This record gives sequence, structure tokens and C-alpha cells, in this order.
Amino acid sequence: GEDVEQSLFLSVREGDSSVINCTYTDSSSTYLYWYKQEPGAGLQLLTYIFSNMDMKQDQRLTVLLNKKDKHLSLRIADTQTGDSAIYFCAEHGSGNTGKLIFGQGTTLQVKP
Amino acid sequence: GAGVSQTPSNKVTEKGKYVELRCDPISGHTALYWYRQSLGQGPEFLIYFQGTGAADDSGLPNDRFFAVRPEGSVSTLKIQRTERGDSAVYLCASSFAGYNEQFFGPGTRLTVL
Repeated sequence: GEDVEQSLFLSVREGDSSVINCTYTDSSSTYLYWYKQEPGAGLQLLTYIFSNMDMKQDQRLTVLLNKKDKHLSLRIADTQTGDSAIYFCAEHGSGNTGKLIFGQGTTLQVKP
Repeated sequence: GAGVSQTPSNKVTEKGKYVELRCDPISGHTALYWYRQSLGQGPEFLIYFQGTGAADDSGLPNDRFFAVRPEGSVSTLKIQRTERGDSAVYLCASSFAGYNEQFFGPGTRLTVL
């Protein structure tokens, strides 16, 4: 079945790089997404990558996609305390509806 | 409005009661999604509307859950005979069309006592 897996927790120091990893199962996914959720707030789309790409850079964010291993990562350069949040990886589910299948989320803790 | 809105923001009810949760999507968005997020988990898909019709309701856990979108805009998620296990944050998202970027509302936190 469809499944997205993430590590649950990551702690880094302010100014360091953070790397959040995700594995997914549906090789037919056309887009893969990273969402951010801050306490008490809704989900915010951070970035996405099309399945025919292997890298996408957007300011401090770099997404790497390894389709062979079905592995997605999000790198945040120069991590700030404001980056502390839960990060969700998501892929499109089966069928032609655009529904998203989310991982369980990685809590990023940034220490000053 | 500028974004997706959901009401109420919090709902506390007793086991066995009926509840309705409302979602106002972004104007012009034809696709609307409902997800449920339990504590410590990622959102789980419930149902997808394209216009007025439910194009995919495969995520609804059982027949106590039902959703409507009669005019292709506002949607209501209805839960009958609520159970404690229904306690979660219910999220609504809309997009211009299916497979486009989904914009999420702040959610309704449902607590069943």
C-alpha cells in the first residue's frame, strides 16, 4: 500500500544545516512535497519537486530526490530558531484525485 | 477571504452526539479535500470533492462520516454517533483543480468526551 516514512525527531544548533529524510512507496508519484506545521497553525507548503528532477533549490531549501531508492530529503541551510516546526513529506496517492499521503512528520528542534 | 477558513476552531462534544464541521475554501478553487490529523501523526486523507461531487471518498473510516458540498464551494463534514476515537484535528484544503497546490485551513480540533 501507500506509505511515507520519516524519522521523528531532529535537533540542530542555530546556523547549522538540517537534513530531514523521507522514504515513499508509490513510484508513480508525479510530485513530492514538503510541508511545515508550526504549533497551532495550519500546514504550509514549503516546496515541491517534480518526479523527473533530482534536485531543486529554493533559497535556503534544497530538495534531493532519489527515485531509484524512493528517497526524498530536505536540507535547510543556516537553520534558524524560526525553523523549529514539524516537517511533513507527502506524495500523491493512487488514483487521479490529487489526494496527498503524508508521513508522520519530523519535529525539528533548533537550539540557540 | 484570503485563505481557507474552518469553523468552529474547537469543538467539544459527548460520545454519541452528532457534529458538523464547516470549510470555506479559497474562492474559485474547484477541488476540496478533508483530512484528519491525530496527535503525533501526519494528516490522513478522508474525502475529495471536485465541484459538487465527491470524486474520492475512500478515506472515510466508516458510514458515520459523511461530507457534502452542495454548491461547489462550502463543504460540511458530518460525523454521527461520535466516538472518543474520532478526536483529532480535521483539516480542509482547497486547490484550483485536482493535482494543484493544496492550501490548508487552520483546522477544527474535535474532542469527544
